[in-house]
Amino acid sequence: AQSVTQPDIHITVSEGASLELRCNYSYGATPYLFWYVQSPGQGLQLLLKYFSGDTLVQGIKGFEAEFKRSQSSFNLRKPSVHWSDAAEYFCAVGLMDTGRRALTFGSGTRLQVQP
Amino acid sequence: EAGVTQFPSHSVIEKGQTVTLRCDPISGHDNLYWYRRVMGKEIKFLLHFVKESKQDESGMPNNRFLAERTGGTYSTLKVQPAELEDSGVYFCASSQDRVLQETQYFGPGTRLLVL
Repeated sequence: AQSVTQPDIHITVSEGASLELRCNYSYGATPYLFWYVQSPGQGLQLLLKYFSGDTLVQGIKGFEAEFKRSQSSFNLRKPSVHWSDAAEYFCAVGLMDTGRRALTFGSGTRLQVQP
Repeated sequence: EAGVTQFPSHSVIEKGQTVTLRCDPISGHDNLYWYRRVMGKEIKFLLHFVKESKQDESGMPNNRFLAERTGGTYSTLKVQPAELEDSGVYFCASSQDRVLQETQYFGPGTRLLVL
């Protein structure tokens, strides 16, 4: 069965610093890959997604992610973090070859931003 | 365009009681999903509707959970009788197209606490 690992439960960065959130997946084929963000009191908002093509994906709010097949990773990055980026971030995978639409999520990484 | 809405936002009930959660998808979205996040764990898929039909209910934990989507519009998820381990956040999502490369749009979730 597929699985998603976000090894960092909690990360604290200073405002203006760069950010990288890690995501590794376990799946036999190339999955669809997503990053969602949940701010307090809000629903899950899609930051970006990868289906095929260019392995560097640009998203909203200045985020990007790079799909690395050899490492089964889809890490999320931002060059300069803003205080409003404090939230919980979820990596998710969908399965290309099964026809099922269920997303499998990682356990999330909570980001705290220090002034 | 209104997003996915869920009601109630919070619910506190006692073990053995019944609770019904409601989800209104984005207008025109045929696909509707339920997910839940038990405290501290990952978000897990429960089931998927296409219009009023259950397409995939492989994630439903047991027969205490009943999901319906009469008329293919809003959906309800009933838990009867509720148990302590049902506590968590229940998310609803919807998507428009019948293709795998769709984006699921999530609601804010219903936070359920069973005492």
